[in-house]
Amino acid sequence: AQRVTQPEKLLSVFKGAPVELKCNYSYSGSPELFWYVQYSRQRLQLLLRHISRESIKGFTADLNKGETSFHLKKPFAQEEDSAMYYCALGGYGGATNKLIFGTGTLLAVQP
Amino acid sequence: EPEVTQTPSHQVTQMGQEVILRCVPISNHLYFYWYRQILGQKVEFLVSFYNNEISEKSEIFDDQFSVERPDGSNFTLKIRSTKLEDSAMYFCASSEEMPGASSYNSPLHFGNGTRLTVT
Repeated sequence: AQRVTQPEKLLSVFKGAPVELKCNYSYSGSPELFWYVQYSRQRLQLLLRHISRESIKGFTADLNKGETSFHLKKPFAQEEDSAMYYCALGGYGGATNKLIFGTGTLLAVQP
Repeated sequence: EPEVTQTPSHQVTQMGQEVILRCVPISNHLYFYWYRQILGQKVEFLVSFYNNEISEKSEIFDDQFSVERPDGSNFTLKIRSTKLEDSAMYFCASSEEMPGASSYNSPLHFGNGTRLTVT
């Protein structure tokens, strides 16, 4: 079955510290992975997707098919990065158009 | 930047009542979705809609649920007889392309959500 696991409900770091939000997935075919972010009182929005291999707001994520992971990383956290982060699995096989979300990780960046 | 809009932001209803949640997707988008998030739980897919018909639905989307695109702009989710366990945040989303149809997925654009409280 398709599944996304985010093991940490809360990650608290100090400003300037490195951040790694963990995401593991389960899917037998070729996955499409995304990170969505929800800032306080704002809508869920796309942060980045593995296929574009881009860095957004200093965040990067590399798809590791061997470890079935798509961890989100940033070398130096900023206070404005505090938000809820959701890893999502989608577009698998071209036969579906739904996203499977993880439970989310709340990132709290302390001053 | 165009946005998906949802109304109302908060709906309180009594068990057994019908509710209609409304969404206006981004105007040039062709694919529409409803997701929900029960408090403290993950965001869950309910249904996707394309070309005036349901293209996919989850096991959550039973006979109590229906979706409609009554005109060129609105996309609604109806729950016929609400239950306590329907209390959740309901998110509408739209996309320009079908995720998975090509190697480059079209991102979903989400609305702010409607918080449904069933008492």
